[in-house]
Amino acid sequence: QKEVEQDPGPLSVPEGAIVSLNCTYSNSAFQYFMWYRQYSRKGPELLMYTYSSGNKEDGRFTAQVDKSSKYISLFIRDSQPSDSATYLCAMSLTNDYKLSFGAGTTVTVRA
Amino acid sequence: SQTIHQWPATLVQPVGSPLSLECTVEGTSNPNLYWYRQAAGRGLQLLFYSVGIGQISSEVPQNLSASRPQDRQFILSSKKLLLSDSGFYLCAWSALAGSHEQFFGPGTRLTVL
Repeated sequence: QKEVEQDPGPLSVPEGAIVSLNCTYSNSAFQYFMWYRQYSRKGPELLMYTYSSGNKEDGRFTAQVDKSSKYISLFIRDSQPSDSATYLCAMSLTNDYKLSFGAGTTVTVRA
Repeated sequence: SQTIHQWPATLVQPVGSPLSLECTVEGTSNPNLYWYRQAAGRGLQLLFYSVGIGQISSEVPQNLSASRPQDRQFILSSKKLLLSDSGFYLCAWSALAGSHEQFFGPGTRLTVL
């Protein structure tokens, strides 16, 4: 079993739809959770960074962490064609700065 | 603001040839530095990380090595490339104290023929 599981998709949605992405993990000691966006042939860009459980909102993006279920989510509201990318979840332990990554979900927003 | 550079952007090398990829960070001091490899359609695999000059930790035994000759310079090397070394190589940095956020460079796409 992988430490972090993420459905690779692909996921295709019409412009303006809500995109829902998620990851599950097996290590209950993870405390820091991140979402990255990666455009084709580019380096990943940090989108959201959260600590422990709860929600965080930044513009059209909302990140949720449910530690009891070992499940994290990213929601993109009013999706745009420019949101078409691969989204990677990542997480780390309190005393370890190494990140464990999901495999990434490829999203296409159709105009 | 902080900036991370990687070069070259693209590289095609024959099997058995040496490799040197360079990463430099600007605008910060004493960063943690990381080398990752991303195979097509797969997640990021941590190869090496460094918490200071000359301090290298290897995550996966393989044909590669890393060095950190200066505070903000990180080099990935190989003496003899294998076909399996092909991939997208990413350098990343994080603040030394207390931050778990990592920031990635633009990457180097390596093809070994």
